[in-house]
Amino acid sequence: DAKTTQPNSMESNEEEPVHLPCNHSTISGTDYIHWYRQLPSQGPEYVIHGLTSNVNNRMASLAIAEDRKSSTLILHRATLRDAAVYYCILRGHGSGNTGKLIFGQGTTLQVKP
Amino acid sequence: DAGVIQSPRHEVTEMGQEVTLRCKPISGHNSLFWYRQTMMRGLELLIYFNNNVPIDDSGMPEDRFSAKMPNASFSTLKIQPSEPRDSAVYFCASSLQVRGNEQFFGPGTRLTVL
Repeated sequence: DAKTTQPNSMESNEEEPVHLPCNHSTISGTDYIHWYRQLPSQGPEYVIHGLTSNVNNRMASLAIAEDRKSSTLILHRATLRDAAVYYCILRGHGSGNTGKLIFGQGTTLQVKP
Repeated sequence: DAGVIQSPRHEVTEMGQEVTLRCKPISGHNSLFWYRQTMMRGLELLIYFNNNVPIDDSGMPEDRFSAKMPNASFSTLKIQPSEPRDSAVYFCASSLQVRGNEQFFGPGTRLTVL
């Protein structure tokens, strides 16, 4: 499975935008970029995923580099509830793919009031 | 929608005892995943099922661990005998398909083996 690299931690101020980077230089053509987050004392939850084009949903936006070797999760206005560990995961969607999620260490986001 | 249900939420047991963790996936989902989370190793996939059939158990640490899915609405993860190094939070997740769709995680079972 292709590997992702994320900063160990980031800080943000409440109500400001947050850009969480992820590098995935060995991404393959069939790999989707998934983001999950884990709030304290909870299980991980899905945030967003994309393949080549930028994606938006109610939780966040995903900006994908043209060469797909990096991506950025964007929280438009951070709230205290967004303090969590954010995981960037490559997941193949091609035939025969198992759908496994391989979690790295993620980025711990602190949001300051 | 109740989400993925896990029981018990907390389990404290003594070394050598058998431990059984339970999971009820979201109704209609056909894939189920068991993960373990520790500070040292992070989140690890132990085993997953598709249509009640185990597909990949390569993450199961050793023979002391076993998992079953007798029907679409129930799965168990058993540790026998338990050891202190098995102490972790165990998560169950389910999804509609193996490929592509998001996984929905349960609240986890915090296991402490003394």
